Amino acid sequence: EVQLLESGGGLVQPGGSQRLSCAASGFAFNNFAMAWVRQPPGKGLEWVSTIRRRGTTTYYADSVRGRFTISRDNSKNTLFLQMTDLRAEDTAVYYCAKDLGGGGSLIFDSWGQGALVTVSS
Amino acid sequence: SYVLTQPPSVSVAPGQTARITCGGTNIETKSVHWYQQRPGQAPLLVIYYTRDRPSGIPDRFSGSTSGNTAALTISRVEAGDEAAYHCQVWDSSGDHPVFGGGTKLTVL
Repeated sequence: EVQLLESGGGLVQPGGSQRLSCAASGFAFNNFAMAWVRQPPGKGLEWVSTIRRRGTTTYYADSVRGRFTISRDNSKNTLFLQMTDLRAEDTAVYYCAKDLGGGGSLIFDSWGQGALVTVSS
Repeated sequence: SYVLTQPPSVSVAPGQTARITCGGTNIETKSVHWYQQRPGQAPLLVIYYTRDRPSGIPDRFSGSTSGNTAALTISRVEAGDEAAYHCQVWDSSGDHPVFGGGTKLTVL
């Protein structure tokens, strides 16, 4: 059974930084692209970033490019999202999601339970 | 960038058929994916590549497209189908995935 467990959420001040982690199990982590998708309170889903299976190719939404960095450690089956220069509009539940393929089909067939990041002073 | 438009809410009685739409320019030329999100839970993929169902998803769930509209149809609706449903496509112009705003399905 695929399991994705996010950690690292919490309250952060505007302009601050936060690092999210996602521990994966139940599948061959190094064979699949991974992604972060966020959902502001009471709103819809927004794709944030995708990393291909080897970690050498990454993609970002315009709203976070230059501020967020996605990475992965295939030896530890863990996905990361380093967030800097955080803004109020970054407040959301951040989901770790498994891609259907290794190259990044951008279809998300398994999701974690999410980590809430609140940006507020 | 590409915009997907969903009705905020749809209501249906148990046992009836629910049709949730997702509007986008020439959406019939794209692959559409649908996610179910029950209250307080993570999204769950229910339809991908417009018509395919992941293993474990009942055949009561089906997808289609025509012109500028994609649709998720849920037949013989059950109380457990009450959830938000999100459509998603690949926006080739922006080179990224796009989600609709979500539709809350209420089972009366």
